Amino acid sequence: EAQVTQNPRYLITVTGKKLTVTCSQNMNHEYMSWYRQDPGLGLRQIYYSMNVEVTDKGDVPEGYKVSRKEKRNFPLILESPSPNQTSLYFCASSLRQSRNQPQHFGDGTRLSIL
Amino acid sequence: GQQVMQIPQYQHVQEGEDFTTYCNSSTTLSNIQWYKQRPGGHPVFLIQLVKSGEVKKQKRLTFQFGEAKKNSSLHITATQTTDVGTYFCALASNTGKLIFGQGTTLQVKP
Repeated sequence: EAQVTQNPRYLITVTGKKLTVTCSQNMNHEYMSWYRQDPGLGLRQIYYSMNVEVTDKGDVPEGYKVSRKEKRNFPLILESPSPNQTSLYFCASSLRQSRNQPQHFGDGTRLSIL
Repeated sequence: GQQVMQIPQYQHVQEGEDFTTYCNSSTTLSNIQWYKQRPGGHPVFLIQLVKSGEVKKQKRLTFQFGEAKKNSSLHITATQTTDVGTYFCALASNTGKLIFGQGTTLQVKP
């Protein structure tokens, strides 16, 4: 089944403790991205990757890192999480980043930083 | 940077009533995508509009792209409880960014 898989689905942690949210897709998609969703703010793009070893900042990259060493994986790293990073996170992928490609989203990861 | 404003933020309707959400931009849009997110779920792609004045239908959903390509709308005729969720418009830029509107959350009273 074609899907985008995120792990973990839920995480409660403390300020400053490094964490990684994994994202994997099995559709051989070139484009992958991370979003955070906060009430009233919609979905805001954190980072995106057009292909392996190519990553770029979205609208809210501060406090996050990403890497794209393999086509299928695009982990999101919070080196020193803070409470303002408490949010619902979505990973998404598309075949390529041309303008007519729909995004396929994972089920989301709810992070709480205490 | 380019922004897409979406209104209204919330809409409560009685089942059977119509519903419309609007996306507006100050600059010309090359394309616009629409997504639906059910409560507790993830966004799911509905449709993409590319041409000026384009109108597309999916059963009770009608999507329009403005003639000037600066706005778009999603209209649902005779809402049902299954239409509950948040509807997002999104713009794919040629730099790789995807910019989402703030979303319109639809509640339907049975």
